[in-house]
Amino acid sequence: ETGVTQSPTHLIKTRGQQVTLRCSSQSGHNTVSWYQQALGQGPQFIFQYYREEENGRGNFPPRFSGLQFPNYSSELNVNALELDDSALYLCASSLESGRAEQFFGPGTRLTVL
Amino acid sequence: GQQLNQSPQSMFIQEGEDVSMNCTSSSIFNTWLWYKQDPGEGPVLLIALYKAGELTSNGRLTAQFGITRKDSFLNISASIPSDVGIYFCAGQWGTDKLIFGTGTRLQVFP
Repeated sequence: ETGVTQSPTHLIKTRGQQVTLRCSSQSGHNTVSWYQQALGQGPQFIFQYYREEENGRGNFPPRFSGLQFPNYSSELNVNALELDDSALYLCASSLESGRAEQFFGPGTRLTVL
Repeated sequence: GQQLNQSPQSMFIQEGEDVSMNCTSSSIFNTWLWYKQDPGEGPVLLIALYKAGELTSNGRLTAQFGITRKDSFLNISASIPSDVGIYFCAGQWGTDKLIFGTGTRLQVFP
């Protein structure tokens, strides 16, 4: 059974640029959630995708957007990067939407200069 | 964003000691989860709790779902060096998003 994978591992961008992060869900899981984890904090929910539709969103501006593909993999896109967007971005998959048990990937460390 | 309160914020203990930490919320949840995160890694699910008062074990780890549904507790018995890391609680109401705690950082000295 393959776990959740994310790419890239690390990324450095400058303010104003755009970034795309990728996630492959654990096999058999159809729901993907994205989280932002700032240094020294717990993960903060960005949004969730289920059957290729956004299924719940946290307190993040519209410049954070996503996609889910038919194979349940997902992308997180962030436009007009700001310094405060520097964080670890975590993807988690679950068997079904609404299931509490979520399994996390290793994350992508984004640094915005 | 909303975060649950975890205490203590950090712990420095000797190998072999038992550890207790807790997590409190102003809202009730119907599911509590405990995760462990190592540096540079994603959180790993340790224990899930589904009913008020439930006590669940996973090896040396034991977690409890508080009676008020606003808190949860995690105990680690006979700590070992690989227990080092940050422990996060997370709560869910209904099928809503997970809300995570602020984390408890555990250091174990030989």
